[in-house]
Amino acid sequence: EAGVTQSPTHLIKTRGQQATLRCSPISGHTSVYWYQQALGLGLQFLLWYDEGEERNRGNFPPRFSGRQFPNYSSELNVNALELEDSALYLCASSQGRVAYNEQFFGPGTRLTVL
Amino acid sequence: DAKTTQPPSMDCAEGRAANLPCNHSTISGNEYVYWYRQIHSQGPQYIIHGLKNNETNEMASLIITEDRKSSTLILPHATLRDTAVYYCIVRVLGTGANNLFFGTGTRLTVIP
Repeated sequence: EAGVTQSPTHLIKTRGQQATLRCSPISGHTSVYWYQQALGLGLQFLLWYDEGEERNRGNFPPRFSGRQFPNYSSELNVNALELEDSALYLCASSQGRVAYNEQFFGPGTRLTVL
Repeated sequence: DAKTTQPPSMDCAEGRAANLPCNHSTISGNEYVYWYRQIHSQGPQYIIHGLKNNETNEMASLIITEDRKSSTLILPHATLRDTAVYYCIVRVLGTGANNLFFGTGTRLTVIP
């Protein structure tokens, strides 16, 4: 069974640009979560999508947005990039909205903002 | 979700049991204890979770105290590949906010 996949592996942008990160969940999983892991700040929850809708959002500015497609894959968009957006962005998926279903994480996309 | 407290780092000799403690003194009756680990630069990996009974799976055992204010993750025979940051998380199970709140975790180093 294929795991959660993310693309690209690495992404280099300059300040002010937009970044788009993609995530494909495990087959049969309808929930997708996005987390940011910046150096020294640990893993922080960004967004949760299920069945195409945004279900919950972490404490991040509106320039962090995303969507979930009918095939349950997801996209994270970061507009007006700032230097502090440099981080490892992790996507996780789980089977439906029931919270006890464990979350399976992808390998992440490392975003570097210059 | 309740706050957890973990030691920042621990060492363990290869082949010995690794016992990772976690304090969650403000845990509520409907909050579960979850453990994840993150091997350097990889995505976190689920290990185990429990409510009040001790749990065991192929990776580890979870011992939760009777008052549920603390727990211990046990890796029975640590290997070098178990070197990672281990996160203890407590969360309410429901259909609300499903996101995981990761703290700073314990960096476990398995020594040959």
